[in-house]
Parts: sequence; structure tokens; C-alpha cells
Amino acid sequence: EAQVTQNPRYLITVTGKKLTVTCSQNMNHEYMSWYRQDPGLGLRQIYYSMNVEVTDKGDVPEGYKVSRKEKRNFPLILESPSPNQTSLYFCASRTRRDTYNEQFFGPGTRLTVL
Amino acid sequence: AQKVTQAQTEISVVEKEDVTLDCVYETRDTTYYLFWYKQPPSGELVFLIRRNSFDEQNEISGRYSWNFQKSTSSFNFTITASQVVDSAVYFCALSEDPVQGAQKLVFGQGTRLTINP
Repeated sequence: EAQVTQNPRYLITVTGKKLTVTCSQNMNHEYMSWYRQDPGLGLRQIYYSMNVEVTDKGDVPEGYKVSRKEKRNFPLILESPSPNQTSLYFCASRTRRDTYNEQFFGPGTRLTVL
Repeated sequence: AQKVTQAQTEISVVEKEDVTLDCVYETRDTTYYLFWYKQPPSGELVFLIRRNSFDEQNEISGRYSWNFQKSTSSFNFTITASQVVDSAVYFCALSEDPVQGAQKLVFGQGTRLTINP
């Protein structure tokens, strides 16, 4: 089954404790992105990657890091989480052959930083 | 700059009523793409429809229909004979031309739709 998976799905942590949210897709997609969803703001892009070893900032990159060492994986790293990073996070992927820019979303990771 | 506005934060109707969710967008591009997603209480994003800027035909899928009007920069979504299972947050989103380098979807704020039995 074609899918984007994220782990963990739910995470409660404390300020300053480094964490990684993993994202993996099995569709051989070139493009991957991370979004965060906040009430009243919709979803906003954090980082994106156009291919292995190619990443760039989205609209709200502060406090996040990413890496793309393999095509299928695109982890999101919070080195020192803060309460304002409490949010619902979505990973997405798409193929460069899709001219619509339609993105396939993972199930979401609900992060709470205390 | 791209922008999507969903002015209706919350809508509540009684089952079987028709309901329209508004979406207004801004873009300077002539080539762009519009999407609607549904987010049920479980939290995942469910793709509903996509449209490109050159196709202004309205679309109907069962109880769902979409009205795309370039003249008013709107892409509204109507649910006919609403059902409790339609209760969700609905997002409208815009993408400029990925061939020209667009790498993201720009989302509206979302509309929380509640269908009461």
C-alpha cells in the first residue's frame, strides 16, 4: 500500500529535550515536506526537500532541522523543543512528475511540549 | 504572494441541510492549483479534490460539489443533504506552478463543520 508513515503519532515531552519525528514514504517520491498545523492558521510548511541531500526552508523553519540522507526518509528534528512548538505535524511527499503539486500526507504527529 | 482565506471559522447545521464552505484565494500566477482536504476528528488529512486554473468546470461527486470562479478568485465547496459523518475541519489549499518552482501548498485557516442530528 502506497503510504507516508510518521512516528511517533503522539508525543509529550519537556522543554529542551531533543526529539526526532520520523517520516517515511514508499512511493519513491522525490519531494518531501513537513508542515505544522495550528488553530486559526491552517497548515504551514516548515522545511522541504527536493531530493536526497537537498533541503530548504519553508515558511516557519525556526527551531527545526531536517535531513534527507535517503530518498524514502525525511526526519524532523527539534534539538531544543519549546512550548510554542506544541502542534500537529504532517509529513508529505509528492512525485516531481505530478504537475498539480498534489501532496500525499502522513497521518500526523501530535506533539506537546511542556 | 499566495494567500487562501476561509472566512467561516465554524459552521453548524442540522442534518440534511445543504452547506457551502467558502474559499477565496490570491495569487499572481496564471497557472495554479486548488485543493480541498477534509480532516475528520481522527486527525488525518483526506484529499477531496484538485483543480487547475485552466479548468473552470464545476464538479460534482455524490453529495459534494465544487464551484470554481476565477472572476471572483473563489473555489467554494457545497455539501448537499449533509450527514453527521460530514462533521470535520475542511481546508482549502493553493499551489502555484511546481514546474516554476513552487514547493508547497498554502492552506486556508480551515472551517470546522458540525452536522447536528
